[in-house]
Amino acid sequence: GESVGLHLPTLSVQEGDNSIINCAYSNSASDYFIWYKQESGKGPQFIIDIRSNMDKRQGQRVTVLLNKTVKHLSLQIAATQPGDSAVYFCAENIAGGSYIPTFGRGTSLIVHP
Amino acid sequence: ETGVTQSPTHLIKTRGQQVTLRCSSQSGHNTVSWYQQALGQGPQFIFQYYREEENGRGNFPPRFSGLQFPNYSSELNVNALELDDSALYLCASSLGTETDTQYFGPGTRLTVL
Repeated sequence: GESVGLHLPTLSVQEGDNSIINCAYSNSASDYFIWYKQESGKGPQFIIDIRSNMDKRQGQRVTVLLNKTVKHLSLQIAATQPGDSAVYFCAENIAGGSYIPTFGRGTSLIVHP
Repeated sequence: ETGVTQSPTHLIKTRGQQVTLRCSSQSGHNTVSWYQQALGQGPQFIFQYYREEENGRGNFPPRFSGLQFPNYSSELNVNALELDDSALYLCASSLGTETDTQYFGPGTRLTVL
């Protein structure tokens, strides 16, 4: 079946480095993508989103890139900080219906001071 | 903090028992979605309630049922518990069914023995 998945389960970086978390999706009907951050013991927290009519969107220290040709999106975190350590999920939503995102498995980001 | 609260925080049940989990949505939000998150996995959509009516359901058996009350708080009921029901149960509230942002609560950790 169609699914959202992540390339790497764990990413370790040094404080101050830039982090890139990747995500592949397979449902061509998806038109809206969201990145969530989940810290230990908490629910997912919205970070940034992007619609399929865009290929790049920037937030505070974060950038999401969308490549519809290869069905891939990435989350870039600039100057990664220890507080960025968490599990990051990409989620997709299919056009035309209620907002019910489908989550991928997640990537654990570990930031070393 | 998102303003979404869930109770209880942790719960231990035995196979065959029934459980009720509760969620209070963020003030002004009329939509509540429930997710099941197994260890090491992304959240899986169970169902969504909008103004006290079910507005979508994921691939979960009928023994997973829910309610939404006039104040938009919600309950998730699971009958005939199975070992595989052990998971973190998340609720998320939003304003309307097509809004982009869902605000998640901290979850209820259910362990089935």
